Amino acid sequence: SQKIEQNSEALNIQEGKTATLTCNYTNYSPAYLQWYRQDPGRGPVFLLLIRENEKEKRKERLKVTFDTTLKQSLFHITASQPADSATYLCALEISGGYNKLIFGAGTRLAVHP
Amino acid sequence: EAQVTQNPRYLITVTGKKLTVTCSQNMNHEYMSWYRQDPGLGLRQIYYSMNVEVTDKGDVPEGYKVSRKEKRNFPLILESPSPNQTSLYFCASSPRQGSGGYTFGSGTRLTVV
Repeated sequence: SQKIEQNSEALNIQEGKTATLTCNYTNYSPAYLQWYRQDPGRGPVFLLLIRENEKEKRKERLKVTFDTTLKQSLFHITASQPADSATYLCALEISGGYNKLIFGAGTRLAVHP
Repeated sequence: EAQVTQNPRYLITVTGKKLTVTCSQNMNHEYMSWYRQDPGLGLRQIYYSMNVEVTDKGDVPEGYKVSRKEKRNFPLILESPSPNQTSLYFCASSPRQGSGGYTFGSGTRLTVV
């Protein structure tokens, strides 16, 4: 079956450290992979998009890698801050003449002072 | 301000009473979609629309209807709500595939008793 897996356990890290979140998928061939941030009770907010032919994308303190051979994406937040505490969602955008964005269940990140 | 507006924000209703959740975007996006979010299950797509008068089922369409008569509006209709439709609902829009992230609304928390 097709699956997107994100670590369901919360990730707890110390302020200033780098947070690394993992997204693994099976049986998909995504054209694009996206990462979103979601705060409790709020809508997801788009962070980064990476294409299947890109290995790495950066935006300020954020970095995303995409390995289509391993079927894995890593999401890094460097110099993490307590304000980065949220749930981070991985989403695959499937090609095929239609827009289909499929989400993982998300990983909750808690950054402690 | 570019945004997706959903209404209402909160709704409590009784089983079988028809309701409509409205969604409107001011970004001239072609693509719009409805998701529901349940604990442990993540975001699941209900319906999507590639453009005016073009709609299609997502992964969990049963019990829902949509329409896209205008580009900016994409209402979600529950003809006969049931308690298993109690959930947090999000509307999202996007210009086209791979062009960037989706913009989500603030969500509608629906309770069916």
